[in-house]
Order: sequence, then structure tokens, then C-alpha cells
Amino acid sequence: NAGVTQTPKFRVLKTGQSMTLLCAQDMNHEYMYWYRQDPGMGLRLIHYSVGEGTTAKGEVPDGYNVSRLKKQNFLLGLESAAPSQTSVYFCASSRGQGFYNEQFFGPGTRLTVL
Amino acid sequence: AQSVTQPDIHITVSEGASLELRCNYSYGATPYLFWYVQSPGQGLQLLLKYFSGDTLVQGIKGFEAEFKRSQSSFNLRKPSVHWSDAAEYFCAVQNQAGTALIFGKGTTLSVSS
Repeated sequence: NAGVTQTPKFRVLKTGQSMTLLCAQDMNHEYMYWYRQDPGMGLRLIHYSVGEGTTAKGEVPDGYNVSRLKKQNFLLGLESAAPSQTSVYFCASSRGQGFYNEQFFGPGTRLTVL
Repeated sequence: AQSVTQPDIHITVSEGASLELRCNYSYGATPYLFWYVQSPGQGLQLLLKYFSGDTLVQGIKGFEAEFKRSQSSFNLRKPSVHWSDAAEYFCAVQNQAGTALIFGKGTTLSVSS
């Protein structure tokens, strides 16, 4: 099993450009998450999904959109990138709630917006 | 509102010495608590988790954590630190809706020889 994979690993954008980050999991998990990690800020939840076709906002959703068309994939989109979106983005998945909310993380995508 | 506080931003420990990383949470009911480790350039890996039962939980890599309800704490410990333990450690609590984890800001562990 590959676990949680993220594509791409690195990306440099210019302000105003758009891009999509892809997250895939092969564990048949219901829940999927997108976080951003910034120095001294820990991990902050952007959006999450509790099942195929469902998405919800997290702590810092502005400037991002997501889609979960297939259970195994969770896409994060930036429609018009801003320098404030320079960060490391992590995707995670979990089986469900409670004790099953152990989240499995991907390796991260380092995004720089110039 | 739920929150997790990791009071120590950075800790340095000598190799072979014991380690304790602090975590305090704010949560009304019995919390689901987690400790994760992040090695440089890597994603997060679960060390251990707690919901109920024995308040001392064992995890991977020789780590353990003790849940103390009276102190709202879930501190991570290791009796003897190895150089490979140098990493960033995150404490997390599940939110009340059960839909997400709330992470602390992390503690960076350095190990000196």
C-alpha cells in the first residue's frame, strides 16, 4: 500500500496563477483533510471531507477550494495564488471518527508563490 | 473552544537522557488525544493515542504518554533519547464534532551528543 500520496512535491507559482494539488489514498478511508503548515503555527485545517461528494470548511478556508469526486482522491485548488499562500501543504486521511480518527499523512507539497 | 497548548517551542536534551514534552488541552468531555512526530522534510507519523482506560499509553519508538484529567495534560515521555528522536512533535485533540483534529503548534526536539 502506498498510503497517502501527494502530487506535486514542489511547485513555484506567480501571484494570480492557479493550480490544483492532488491527494490520493489507497486505504479506503472515508475522511480526508487538507492542512497547511507554517513556521510557528503548527498545522491548520483548510478543508476536509467526511465522504465522497462532501466537503466542509476548516479553520483557514479562504482562497482555497476542494473537491472529492472519488473516495480515494481529494483535490485542493488555488484559483488565484497569493504570496500568503506560500506554505507546506499536507493531506491526510482517516477511517472515521473518534478512536478511528488516527490520521495518516502524505509527505507534503512545498508551494512558493512569488 | 477546544485548544491544544504545547508550552515549549524548542527543547534540547542530551542523548541518553530522559524526555518529557508537555501538552495541555481544553475540552469539555473525555478527549481523544494524539501525539504525532514529524521528521525533517517528512509528513506526520502517529506515535500514540488515548481515549479511555489506562491513563498511561504506550506508543511506537519507545514513547509513552500519561493522561491526567485533573491537569488537562497529556505529556509525552521517553526514558532514554536517541539522536534519531530529533524531530518536531505535535499534540492533537479531536474536535467535538469528531470530524477533525486540533493540533498544537509543536515542540522541536534537538538531541545533543
